[in-house]
Amino acid sequence: KQEVTQIPAALSVPEGENLVLNCSFTDSAIYNLQWFRQDPGKGLTSLLLIQSSQREQTSGRLNASLDKSSGRSTLYIAASQPGDSATYLCAVGETTGANSKLTFGKGITLSVRP
Amino acid sequence: NAGVMQNPRHLVRRRGQEARLRCSPMKGHSHVYWYRQLPEEGLKFMVYLQKENIIDESGMPKERFSAEFPKEGPSILRIQQVVRGDSAAYFCASSTQGNTEAFFGQGTRLTVV
Repeated sequence: KQEVTQIPAALSVPEGENLVLNCSFTDSAIYNLQWFRQDPGKGLTSLLLIQSSQREQTSGRLNASLDKSSGRSTLYIAASQPGDSATYLCAVGETTGANSKLTFGKGITLSVRP
Repeated sequence: NAGVMQNPRHLVRRRGQEARLRCSPMKGHSHVYWYRQLPEEGLKFMVYLQKENIIDESGMPKERFSAEFPKEGPSILRIQQVVRGDSAAYFCASSTQGNTEAFFGQGTRLTVV
């Protein structure tokens, strides 16, 4: 059974700092990995999708890496801003035959202090 | 192209009533997934559907919960005889195929009183 862990559960940093959010998963037989952002009381916004054959993806100030063999992914946020404050969720996609679903970590709640 | 639309956004039900949650996938998407987010918990997979077919319902509680995705119209998650423990945020996602990027709706927040 796949398990996804995100530690720590919460993180507070000053504005402008570069930071790394970690995600680990127990079963390396994944199809893809997605990072999402969730604002309080809101839905999920997809930030980056990494296919299992890829090592990293970049979008603006965000860079996500994937190391399947070690069961780890990181989300790097450059020059953090107060608007980056949210919960960041890591989810691994598993596809076996016709079945496809995401297994989520509990998220890291990020607070960027002005 | 509108995103995944869920309604209602907020739903209050008394214990024992039925809750119906609707999800309209993005245009061109024929795969729908339902997830539940309990307070202080991560999102948990419930069910995966394609048009008129349930592909994987391994995350659905065995009783009171059902889901459908008819040929026409939105996908429906139905909870019969709701209990307080059903209070949660229910998210729907859709994709073009089973292994492509999933896009999420804003969720329906169910409160059982």
